[in-house]
Amino acid sequence: EPEVTQTPSHQVTQMGQEVILRCVPISNHLYFYWYRQILGQKVEFLVSFYNNEISEKSEIFDDQFSVERPDGSNFTLKIRSTKLEDSAMYFCASSVGTANYGYTFGSGTRLTVV
Amino acid sequence: DAKTTQPPSMDCAEGRAANLPCNHSTISGNEYVYWYRQIHSQGPQYIIHGLKNNETNEMASLIITEDRKSSTLILPHATLRDTAVYYCIVRGQAGTALIFGKGTTLSVSS
Repeated sequence: EPEVTQTPSHQVTQMGQEVILRCVPISNHLYFYWYRQILGQKVEFLVSFYNNEISEKSEIFDDQFSVERPDGSNFTLKIRSTKLEDSAMYFCASSVGTANYGYTFGSGTRLTVV
Repeated sequence: DAKTTQPPSMDCAEGRAANLPCNHSTISGNEYVYWYRQIHSQGPQYIIHGLKNNETNEMASLIITEDRKSSTLILPHATLRDTAVYYCIVRGQAGTALIFGKGTTLSVSS
């Protein structure tokens, strides 16, 4: 069964450093998403991406965040200057379409900011 | 914010059917009902979705009331591996993202 692959599984970074989280969506999917989950809290939507541009974003997704699809397979989330409160699980997801399609989530990257 | 209401927790005996309710009284005509689950801190897993008809797949059945104001996810024979947080989500218009609420923590015990 096709999977969404995320790397690394765990990343530790110093506060103020830039970090890039990587995702390989399912190959025939057209819509891409990033979510995060702070420990013990609910899964929060960050951003959706379609046709090489952001289609929707939440209030969490401020100027410190950016997304990119640098080639035909990768989808990345960059945090420019990490803060302690950015520590969370970050999940990438992809889908074939929108309203009548489910998302496939990756297994996540645990980001720890120290 | 999520447009659904779910009980915070439920228990189920292994081998029995687990029936997870969800209220979505403000659902509009073009909105789908989606169910996902999250086992421990893994990525959410898609289970099933529907618009107005009942749906069944290899994982579960989804029963949507005729007025579409509520639905029930049925796991016909729950196993210990079904212990997870189950999320009922009403998906907006095409292109809008899935928004997760707090879900129902289902505990399956032997």
